Amino acid sequence: AQTVTQSQPEMSVQEAETVTLSCTYDTSESDYYLFWYKQPPSRQMILVIRQEAYKQQNATENRFSVNFQKAAKSFSLKISDSQLGDAAMYFCAYRSAQSGYALNFGKGTSLLVTP
Amino acid sequence: NAGVTQTPKFRVLKTGQSMTLLCAQDMNHEYMYWYRQDPGMGLRLIHYSVGEGTTAKGEVPDGYNVSRLKKQNFLLGLESAAPSQTSVYFCASSYSSRQQFFGPGTRLTVL
Repeated sequence: AQTVTQSQPEMSVQEAETVTLSCTYDTSESDYYLFWYKQPPSRQMILVIRQEAYKQQNATENRFSVNFQKAAKSFSLKISDSQLGDAAMYFCAYRSAQSGYALNFGKGTSLLVTP
Repeated sequence: NAGVTQTPKFRVLKTGQSMTLLCAQDMNHEYMYWYRQDPGMGLRLIHYSVGEGTTAKGEVPDGYNVSRLKKQNFLLGLESAAPSQTSVYFCASSYSSRQQFFGPGTRLTVL
């Protein structure tokens, strides 16, 4: 089974600054997807960004970008120009064709944004 | 277009009681999932379905049963609730390998 590890239980960033959240994963597969989800206090799971393993180019969505290092099995999330609304739990997730393309989540990183 | 909806949003049960959580999606998705989220943990897969009439076990299936009689609905049942099943339950759906869409979650407390 694949494991996803988020080694930072909590992170803090000042408004307008940049923060990087770490994620590593363990797999023997070559074809898979990686995701970052945001969970605000409302509990809703919101997709932030995704990366296909076969793509070498790192995914970018506005202020959010990833650093995907396939050989190192690392998938970090960079948030630029942090905003108060970015405060939330962030989950890294792995998905393969196993288990009907179900997601395998890390334990999450709580991001605090200070004014 | 409501997306993924879950009923109920909150529920309190006594140990030994039974209940069914309903997940409904209006996106004609083939794949549906039930996850649970406990404090300090990410979501863990309970059961999933790859199409109408099919179900399969996930990582933490014990104490739960599921049914997918209609494509748009995925039911999660607890036959005899235990305090260890106190959790937030999320349903999700997707079209094959594409993005999963999540419901708003159900907070269940078992006393």
